[in-house]
Amino acid sequence: DAGVIQSPRHEVTEMGQEVTLRCKPISGHDYLFWYRQTMMRGLELLIYFNNNVPIDDSGMPEDRFSAKMPNASFSTLKIQPSEPRDSAVYFCASRSLGQGRDTQYFGPGTRLTVL
Amino acid sequence: QKEVEQNSGPLSVPEGAIASLNCTYSDRVSQSFFWYRQYSGKSPELIMSIYSNGDKEDGRFTAQLNKASQYVSLLIRDSQPSDSATYLCAVNNYGQNFVFGPGTRLSVLP
Repeated sequence: DAGVIQSPRHEVTEMGQEVTLRCKPISGHDYLFWYRQTMMRGLELLIYFNNNVPIDDSGMPEDRFSAKMPNASFSTLKIQPSEPRDSAVYFCASRSLGQGRDTQYFGPGTRLTVL
Repeated sequence: QKEVEQNSGPLSVPEGAIASLNCTYSDRVSQSFFWYRQYSGKSPELIMSIYSNGDKEDGRFTAQLNKASQYVSLLIRDSQPSDSATYLCAVNNYGQNFVFGPGTRLSVLP
């Protein structure tokens, strides 16, 4: 399995522009998570989906952030308009539950820089 | 409010020594416990999971869980410079959201 796939790996944009981050979870995993990581705040959960349905979006910082999961193999995180304080590494993770075991795997991340 | 606490470090140990990383959590119903390793500029990588009280060993790594004390630890034996990374503790209640600690930065000195 290729693992969790994210694109782009790096994104540099100017303040006010729209940014779209993409994620393909591991096949068969029915949970998908979006995290943001900064030096100051560590790893923060933004939103997670179960069977393509958003379950908890309380970590989404403001209305400028939105996430969708149109099918089991694809999700997007959109920031519109972007601001310099959105600069961070954004991770997507997918999760497998089974036989009493709960395992979460991270993608390589997207490093976002907003100028 | 679920919380997971870790000493931020840095924790410095000489090569070959045992590194001991600690984590406490506040939610008594937590059932699953995880240690992730994150190298600088990379994504977190799962290295250990533990679900029952006691010790679980995997190679040079041993996870220890004490649910009564709400405490989980990770021991790294024969520490190597390649073990230098940030170690994230995560807890959850099966099927619920993961809660991550802030991480402990480990430095293994040659």
